[in-house]
Parts: sequence; structure tokens; C-alpha cells
Amino acid sequence: DAKTTQPPSMDCAEGRAANLPCNHSTISGNEYVYWYRQIHSQGPQYIIHGLKNNETNEMASLIITEDRKSSTLILPHATLRDTAVYYCIVRVLNTGNQFYFGTGTSLTVIP
Amino acid sequence: GAVVSQHPSRVICKSGTSVKIECRSLDFQATTMFWYRQFPKQSLMLMATSNEGSKATYEQGVEKDKFLINHASLTLSTLTVTSAHPEDSSFYICSASGGKGHEQFFGPGTRLTVL
Repeated sequence: DAKTTQPPSMDCAEGRAANLPCNHSTISGNEYVYWYRQIHSQGPQYIIHGLKNNETNEMASLIITEDRKSSTLILPHATLRDTAVYYCIVRVLNTGNQFYFGTGTSLTVIP
Repeated sequence: GAVVSQHPSRVICKSGTSVKIECRSLDFQATTMFWYRQFPKQSLMLMATSNEGSKATYEQGVEKDKFLINHASLTLSTLTVTSAHPEDSSFYICSASGGKGHEQFFGPGTRLTVL
């Protein structure tokens, strides 16, 4: 079962930073936070993941609170192509462990 | 990143027929593959987990005799929807892991329409 809570939808102006929150108050010490996104009628795309430290890659930044009960995905300069459903997932680090998707946040980037 | 393909991308079939969907990891060996189903405007629902050379593990409520999964090699898993009915119409997505680290890499999905 999904162990995360996300707002169902958000809007963001093109060129501005998009900040997508996620609550995972029951996260265990060995569970990582993963973010994926799904553009309409496509398979999900990996964005970023982290355990407790903040992470940054070419796509986004991930900010995890010190108590690890919530996190924020930041898209620094949103473009129209970033319009998608964003999923926050918690999972133990192991190739055989499943991902259980929650309802995600539908982000719309507005011109 | 790693590439996962699915075939076919779209299929339309008559009620009562069986449909096979292939999932391939193109540039890495996938020790584990997963199958998901997604209905319109809903999230992905995990159907089953398959490890190469062993029987798949199905999620609660998923009929193993209806959704046959075979993971015969490290690069190929197949999902067969047997005796398909209109309610099986959905977007089926596979993912694979075991190559570059622990992320799951998702295929582009297969749109199944049962008439």
C-alpha cells in the first residue's frame, strides 16, 4: 500500500520553480524516498531518490526534512514539458522490492 | 538511463481471446520485472513481481490464472491476458530492475482494448 500523501494537483508558471510536497510520516529508517513522473499515456520516468540528505541531479532537487517525515521535489525552472503526474514513493533499497504508487500530484505548467 | 521496451504498444482484441504483451530490457539484465495496470485517471497498480527463472508473485486480488507471467530470461518477461473481457481493457506497464543500481526502469506501456 502507498505510504505517501501528495496534493492531487498543482499549477506552476513556466520558468518558475515548481515545489511538489510529499508527506511520508510513517517512513522507516531504511526506506528511501523516490520520485517518478508520468507524462500522459507513457511509462513513469525516474527523477531522483534520497535517504536523508538533500539530493540534486540534472532534473531536480530533493529536499528531505530532518525527521524524514516529508520531502519536497523542486523543479528549478519549470517548462511546459514538465506537465505530468508526479509520484512520491517510499521503498527499501533493493532491486527486488516493489514500488507501490499513490495518487500522485498532477502538475500543470502554465505558459 | 536503462531502456525497457514493450510490444505491442497498442492492441485491440475480441472478448474471449488471449493477448500476450512482451517486456524487454534492452541494455541491462533484469533480475526482477514488475507488471502494473493503470485504468484511466488512476494511479499504477502493481499486479505481480517476477524473478528470472521462478514463478511470479501476484498481488492480492490479481488472478494468477488469468494473468500469466513468464520471465524466462534476464531480458524478457511476458504477460498473457487469458480470455480477455472488456473490463480487462487498461494500460499495462512493465518495469525492470537489476541493472544500473536499484531504480526501476519503466516501459512505455501497452494499451489493451477488449471489444
